[in-house]
Amino acid sequence: GAVVSQHPSWVICKSGTSVKIECRSLDFQATTMFWYRQFPKQSLMLMATSNEGSKATYEQGVEKDKFLINHASLTLSTLTVTSAHPEDSSFYICSARELGRAALRYNSPLHFGNGTRLTVT
Amino acid sequence: DAKTTQPNSMESNEEEPVHLPCNHSTISGTDYIHWYRQLPSQGPEYVIHGLTSNVNNRMASLAIAEDRKSSTLILHRATLRDAAVYYCIPSGGSNYKLTFGKGTLLTVNP
Repeated sequence: GAVVSQHPSWVICKSGTSVKIECRSLDFQATTMFWYRQFPKQSLMLMATSNEGSKATYEQGVEKDKFLINHASLTLSTLTVTSAHPEDSSFYICSARELGRAALRYNSPLHFGNGTRLTVT
Repeated sequence: DAKTTQPNSMESNEEEPVHLPCNHSTISGTDYIHWYRQLPSQGPEYVIHGLTSNVNNRMASLAIAEDRKSSTLILHRATLRDAAVYYCIPSGGSNYKLTFGKGTLLTVNP
């Protein structure tokens, strides 16, 4: 089955530093990837839609200059948390939808990574 | 986005069937009904999705009401590994994003 690999699985960084999280689709291509954030005991919140070869689309209230997204290829999207602060500590999850299957494009399942636990001290 | 209503939590015994309900009365005509589940400290996992007809796969069955305003995810024999938060998400057509609600926390008792 389709696999999405997310790296690192956890990271601890100091306040003010930047952290990059990678999301790779291992056995399929994805023009679109999605980034979510999840705080403890809460549901996933969509942060942005990452589009291969173009700018990401951010959800309302998400700072695009703080959460930099790059989708340089059909199998890789990165999220960089810049100048991280303790309130950015969260579980970040990426997901991707397979390219192709045109008839089901908007309804094919999303494949999720296993998440990255970010702790900012 | 279509609003969904799911029980906050449900309990089941191992090897018994589980019926997880979801109301999505504002679903649009082109939206599919997706179900995902999330185990602790993991990313969500796709379970099943359907449009109008009932659907079956190796993980579960999805029963969709005739008016499409509600659906039920059926786990035929719950196992301890099925303990998770289950999310029902209408999505499709021009709205291809998945917006997660609070979901149902399923506890499976041995």
